[in-house]
Amino acid sequence: GAVVSQHPSRVICKSGTSVKIECRSLDFQATTMFWYRQFPKKSLMLMATSNEGSKATYEQGVEKDKFLINHASLTLSTLTVTSAHPEDSSFYICSAAAGRNYEQYFGPGTRLTVT
Amino acid sequence: AQKVTQAQTEISVVEKEDVTLDCVYETRDTTYYLFWYKQPPSGELVFLIRRNSFDEQNEISGRYSWNFQKSTSSFNFTITASQVVDSAVYFCALRDGTASKLTFGTGTRLQVTL
Repeated sequence: GAVVSQHPSRVICKSGTSVKIECRSLDFQATTMFWYRQFPKKSLMLMATSNEGSKATYEQGVEKDKFLINHASLTLSTLTVTSAHPEDSSFYICSAAAGRNYEQYFGPGTRLTVT
Repeated sequence: AQKVTQAQTEISVVEKEDVTLDCVYETRDTTYYLFWYKQPPSGELVFLIRRNSFDEQNEISGRYSWNFQKSTSSFNFTITASQVVDSAVYFCALRDGTASKLTFGTGTRLQVTL
């Protein structure tokens, strides 16, 4: 159990376009989902925490207007990178938890390349 | 504030050697959880272990073992008889007892060669 999927696994887009990444909890209801960003050979940096039905809480330094997060259902959260630029190229990982004090289960990640 | 330090950036060993990955943490919470994750080249995080702050018993799982020492705020991970398939980046992480937010260390890249 506790499977989290991400789609797409890889995406290449042109500079200036927007990209949406989906994160789904397949066998449990995730009231809380997290979005991380990982640069090459670096650690995971938490971008934001989203709770179903409410606005996401962004970490300091993360532009909420650039990284739009929607957690509209208990099994789906989306991250939209708006007006993407090459510096947004990164590995994006989501995780899902059944509640605020529950374990996180990680998705397989999405590799975004902006050309 | 919580902090996780993995001082070893990269470690290279020959197959069958034992290797220990260090993890030192800082937290003011009395209840917290410590984790180790493996990230192979594919990128997916693989959960290895969770340990809560009230359980200092060491744990062994096959070739993996973990040494939790609250007195030194350390949670070290040892792989015995390492194998090439162990090559990956290993992350230590900390979560406090009241929230799901994880704080990750910077990771240790382990390279096991023949």
